Amino acid sequence: DIQMTQSPSTLSASVGDRVTITCRASQSISSWLAWYQQKPGKAPKLLIYKASSLESGVPSRFSGSGSGTEFTLTISSLQPDDFATYYCQQYNSYAAFGQGTKVEIK
Amino acid sequence: QVQLQESGPGLVKPSETLSLTCAVSGYSISSGYYWGWIRQPPGKGLEWIGSIYHSGSTYYNPSLKSRVTISVDTSKNQFSLKLSSVTAADTAVYYCASSIAAAGTFQHWGQGTLVTVSS
Repeated sequence: DIQMTQSPSTLSASVGDRVTITCRASQSISSWLAWYQQKPGKAPKLLIYKASSLESGVPSRFSGSGSGTEFTLTISSLQPDDFATYYCQQYNSYAAFGQGTKVEIK
Repeated sequence: QVQLQESGPGLVKPSETLSLTCAVSGYSISSGYYWGWIRQPPGKGLEWIGSIYHSGSTYYNPSLKSRVTISVDTSKNQFSLKLSSVTAADTAVYYCASSIAAAGTFQHWGQGTLVTVSS
């Protein structure tokens, strides 16, 4: 099984900050990685697929990078609507999610 | 616009079988896509349970495979989840979702339904 590890688990930031979340895979997954945003009581929302491709309708302040085993999600200028929990997901072999990173208000 | 809606009992007794259905609207299951189940224990992360294609081909999380059955009913445009021998550890919000591949991203999600395992 492929394990996904995110860091940090919690991130405190202010509006306007540049935020970076890291996701590591236990083995190479090429670029088969997605990022989701989840708000309390809501289903996750797909933000990025294939490591760096932006899903339609997602603001351009979100970007993804990486390949192999290390990936990052960057929010270039944090907005009030961005305070949420973010999950990475590998889909190289079935599907597996990271444990999540909560972005909270500093 | 694909829309998904989960339904089923909110309370299941330990050792019994959890059964949920996901009704799909705005898209015909027979047209394509894979249809999956994902769960989230309270306050915890997401876990993929399994997925199915309209043909009936299934793909299960190895850690749950022995207890999971996913089926599809194209005539009703819905698919279902059965999880047997449940314990308190199976208490979670269960989501149904659509994917473009058996191993893929999940584009459309249901709102989720909380299932509690308790006597």
